Amino acid sequence: AQSVSQHNHHVILSEAASLELGCNYSYGGTVNLFWYVQYPGQHLQLLLKYFSGDPLVKGIKGFEAEFIKSKFSFNLRKPSVQWSDTAEYFCAATSGTYKYIFGTGTRLKVLA
Amino acid sequence: NAGVTQTPKFRVLKTGQSMTLLCAQDMNHEYMYWYRQDPGMGLRLIHYSVGEGTTAKGEVPDGYNVSRLKKQNFLLGLESAAPSQTSVYFCASSYSFGTSGSGNEQFFGPGTRLTVL
Repeated sequence: AQSVSQHNHHVILSEAASLELGCNYSYGGTVNLFWYVQYPGQHLQLLLKYFSGDPLVKGIKGFEAEFIKSKFSFNLRKPSVQWSDTAEYFCAATSGTYKYIFGTGTRLKVLA
Repeated sequence: NAGVTQTPKFRVLKTGQSMTLLCAQDMNHEYMYWYRQDPGMGLRLIHYSVGEGTTAKGEVPDGYNVSRLKKQNFLLGLESAAPSQTSVYFCASSYSFGTSGSGNEQFFGPGTRLTVL
């Protein structure tokens, strides 16, 4: 069955620390991958997406993600987090149907 | 552009009551989706629509019905609410689907927090 796994459920970092959130997917064939962010009390917003080409994707607010096909991974990174990055982050995937599969989310807390 | 809007924002129901959640989008998107978000479970697809007048079941459709009479609106109904339907409900829309990469990202509404007592 198709699935998306996020291994880190809760992450706590200090400001200026580097961030890497893991995302693995199990899909055969072509896949499009997304990272969404949900700030406290708000709706999900797109951070970045990958569909083809350069496996290193840059998104908004200094986030980037790397698609590694051999590892079925699409990890989210940010070199230096800020207090305002405190949020829940969701990885999602679609493989050509109407269905999008979401991971269970990672809650990030950044300490000022 | 308002994007995707949802009404109401909060609702408390008693077991057995019914209600309808309204989702509206002003982006002329063909595809619309209803998800529920529960702690530790991420987002799960309830129903979706690939165009006006069409609906289809998602991952967790039991206890819900939907209608898409107008392209811009997607309604989610609970005929007889149960405590297990306590959740946050998100509506989303997209211009396209699939793996072309063009316009297939979803835009989400602000959510409806529903409590069923």
